[in-house]
Amino acid sequence: GQNIDQPTEMTATEGAIVQINCTYQTSGFNGLFWYQQHAGEAPTFLSYNVLDGLEEKGRFSSFLSRSKGYSYLLLKELQMKDSASYLCAVRRRGGSYIPTFGRGTSLIVHP
Amino acid sequence: EAGVAQSPRYKIIEKRQSVAFWCNPISGHATLYWYQQILGQGPKLLIQFQNNGVVDDSQLPKDRFSAERLKGVDSTLKIQPAKLEDSAVYLCASSLVSGTGQGYEQYFGPGTRLTVT
Repeated sequence: GQNIDQPTEMTATEGAIVQINCTYQTSGFNGLFWYQQHAGEAPTFLSYNVLDGLEEKGRFSSFLSRSKGYSYLLLKELQMKDSASYLCAVRRRGGSYIPTFGRGTSLIVHP
Repeated sequence: EAGVAQSPRYKIIEKRQSVAFWCNPISGHATLYWYQQILGQGPKLLIQFQNNGVVDDSQLPKDRFSAERLKGVDSTLKIQPAKLEDSAVYLCASSLVSGTGQGYEQYFGPGTRLTVT
């Protein structure tokens, strides 16, 4: 089976840095995605990690440790528009490549 | 480039009625996914197609849900009969490929919000 764990909710201040953690247990691990989902909207792709290390993309960075079953999404210079749910999704190989999403972390950015 | 299209956007039905959702993926995307997202939860994969073949449908309640992807392009998801617990947003997504390499990220449609009363 699979287990993906993320904090339910986080709050942060505009301009600050926030780190959203994701831990997972799965067989056949083949990569981890982060998606952003604003309320009432569809998820949009942020990042994909398959190798250990940090991937930086503008204000957002994503880190993966395969041996620890751990990832984090780092958001810098927070803006009000970053208030959204952040979904961690693990891709596993089971015949083909099958994605499984966590419950998501609701991030609230306040002034 | 046009995104993933879904219709209808909203649907209200009574329990035991049937409903169908339609999805048109991004042109050229071989892989199509249907997800169910209940409020406050992450999307749950119902079925994954590679072209017109089913890759995974292990979480699809097959006694009431069915899906098809004729000709490997558009797809429909049907619920018959609906239950109260089917109230959710149904998301369709597509990706270029489902294996390794580029094109693995999913592009989501706007979703269909289903309310079963």
